[in-house]
Amino acid sequence: GESVGLHLPTLSVQEGDNSIINCAYSNSASDYFIWYKQESGKGPQFIIDIRSNMDKRQGQRVTVLLNKTVKHLSLQIAATQPGDSAVYFCAEMRRMNTGNQFYFGTGTSLTVIP
Amino acid sequence: DTAVSQTPKYLVTQMGNDKSIKCEQNLGHDTMYWYKQDSKKFLKIMFSYNNKELIINETVPNRFSPKSPDKAHLNLHINSLELGDSAVYFCASSNPGGRSYEQYFGPGTRLTVT
Repeated sequence: GESVGLHLPTLSVQEGDNSIINCAYSNSASDYFIWYKQESGKGPQFIIDIRSNMDKRQGQRVTVLLNKTVKHLSLQIAATQPGDSAVYFCAEMRRMNTGNQFYFGTGTSLTVIP
Repeated sequence: DTAVSQTPKYLVTQMGNDKSIKCEQNLGHDTMYWYKQDSKKFLKIMFSYNNKELIINETVPNRFSPKSPDKAHLNLHINSLELGDSAVYFCASSNPGGRSYEQYFGPGTRLTVT
């Protein structure tokens, strides 16, 4: 299953399928990005990050892809499990004179169907 | 051990009241943040503190005031509460400067103004 980020904030996938969650960011000067997972009733939790000098980074069952040309970020989850059901946020970091500031996307709600 | 803790977890109060939310982190991080998450799950940064100094102050109403008695604590005080303040407030901390800018989030405080 695949979402288109801001235009499709919900995504349902069958257990065992791969999930793709998309995110568009706004600032071409952003050079660091993070994906967070937020389970119901909890705070966001770090999943994976990527710097702008990379276009792909892999973790355990997750892969983040970065396309700077179109300012697009995606999170791929392999063999999606019920425990992956959550809201997923991308965040871009902008370097300001006063410090680093993170801007979060609107989030995508992933539901895994057993 | 809880890395970032917030109290209370739930807060129900009437318009016009003044309330505080407390946050503590035991990670030894230098930077702490307050975020507001609205009913649509949108996360927006409100404040950031680095070594007890405010380094980012987003355009939030001056009814909101962060107070940091020491590096491990960042409390949020809200005066003259309004209906629109109802949201979930998250505290977070990070130690920027290393490889990762990961933020560790607390469990959130759900504020309901009636």
